[in-house]
Amino acid sequence: EDKVVQSPLSLVVHEGDTVTLNCSYEVTNFRSLLWYKQEKKAPTFLFMLTSSGIEKKSGRLSSILDKKELSSILNITATQTGDSAIYLCAVQSGTYKYIFGTGTRLKVLA
Amino acid sequence: EAGVAQSPRYKIIEKRQSVAFWCNPISGHATLYWYQQILGQGPKLLIQFQNNGVVDDSQLPKDRFSAERLKGVDSTLKIQPAKLEDSAVYLCASSPLAGASEQFFGPGTRLTVL
Repeated sequence: EDKVVQSPLSLVVHEGDTVTLNCSYEVTNFRSLLWYKQEKKAPTFLFMLTSSGIEKKSGRLSSILDKKELSSILNITATQTGDSAIYLCAVQSGTYKYIFGTGTRLKVLA
Repeated sequence: EAGVAQSPRYKIIEKRQSVAFWCNPISGHATLYWYQQILGQGPKLLIQFQNNGVVDDSQLPKDRFSAERLKGVDSTLKIQPAKLEDSAVYLCASSPLAGASEQFFGPGTRLTVL
């Protein structure tokens, strides 16, 4: 059965700290791994990682895919209170199937 | 560009009642998804449409859930009859192509079944 596991489940840090969120997966036909940020309700897209694009960076956020270890990390440097959210990892298995992890709830204190 | 629209935003019903949710995807997006997100869990795919055809409904509880996408644009998701465990946020997402990894999500509908 395809599954995606995220850790930690929750994290509390202070502004300026650096955090690393983890995502591991077991799927039958890996196509891509996606990171989303979810505030309130709708998840918003952050990164997509594939076999041909294993590292992405945007501002203070960066992500790496380790296909050998079947995992990915999302790094956030110099955290801000606006980074407080649930971070979701999803893996595309085959053409149509997306499996989401339970998410990591990040709270950044001022 | 307008985003994915959903309505209603909130709905409270009693068990055994029926409820319907509506989704209008981003204009031109061929693929539409319905997800169920129970509190504390990640979104679970219920059904995926490519234009007006179903490509994956393997996790849709078909004894009580149904969905349609007439004319390949708007979509409705119905629950009849609702159970307590159906309490969740129902998210609609769209993407321009089948298998395109980036999905655009709507604001969701929070359903509470009493």
